[in-house]
Amino acid sequence: DAKTTQPPSMDCAEGRAANLPCNHSTISGNEYVYWYRQIHSQGPQYIIHGLKNNETNEMASLIITEDRKSSTLILPHATLRDTAVYYCIVRAYTGTASKLTFGTGTRLQVTL
Amino acid sequence: NAGVTQTPKFQVLKTGQSMTLQCAQDMNHEYMSWYRQDPGMGLRLIHYSVGAGITDQGEVPNGYNVSRSTTEDFPLRLLSAAPSQTSVYFCASSYFPTSGASSYEQYFGPGTRLTVT
Repeated sequence: DAKTTQPPSMDCAEGRAANLPCNHSTISGNEYVYWYRQIHSQGPQYIIHGLKNNETNEMASLIITEDRKSSTLILPHATLRDTAVYYCIVRAYTGTASKLTFGTGTRLQVTL
Repeated sequence: NAGVTQTPKFQVLKTGQSMTLQCAQDMNHEYMSWYRQDPGMGLRLIHYSVGAGITDQGEVPNGYNVSRSTTEDFPLRLLSAAPSQTSVYFCASSYFPTSGASSYEQYFGPGTRLTVT
C-alpha cells in the first residue's frame, strides 16, 4: 500500500471549512484514498473514499488531484464535534478488505 | 442493528494471565479484524478473518490467537499477558469487496482498554 503524509495537527474555527491535506505520491492506479476519523478514544469512523473523481457525501467532500498524488478532505462547516484525529489511508481494492494501514493522522482542533 | 460490540470495556491483567476479548457483529459481514492502538499511535492490525473458519496474521500477531467459528463472532485471545500488550484493542468488520460493492467501509467497535501490570 502507498504511504501517506499528513500534517500532525490543524486548527479550524467553528463554522468555517476545514481542509485536511494528504500526500500520497507513490499511489498506484488501483489504489483508493480513504478517510477515517477517531473522536477522542472511540473506534475510528469511516468518512469517505474515492479513486480519482471528487466525491461528496453528507459528512464531507474529497478532492483528489488529477495526478492522484495528493488529496484534500473538506468538512464544509466544521463544528466542535468534528474535533478528532483524521486518518488518510491508501488501499488497493482487493480481497483483503480488513488490512487498512493507519498512520498517525492529523489532529483537527475546532475552536469557537 | 447493534453494529460491532466488544466486551469487556476495561480489563486489568497481571503478567502471565490469559484472557479473551470478545467481538461480535450483527451485520452479516464476512470480514472481521483486530487492531491495537498504543498511546499517540495509529492502529496496527493484529489478526483478521475473511470468513468463518479462515483467519490470517496482520502486522503484530505475536502473543495473540484468534478463531472464527461463526460469521458473527471473532474473539481475540491473549495467551500470556505481558506489559507490552497494554493498549486499546479495536475490533472491526466489513463486507466482502466484490465487484460493484459500494465501499471498503469498516465498522469499528468501541474498544477494550487493557492494562497489564
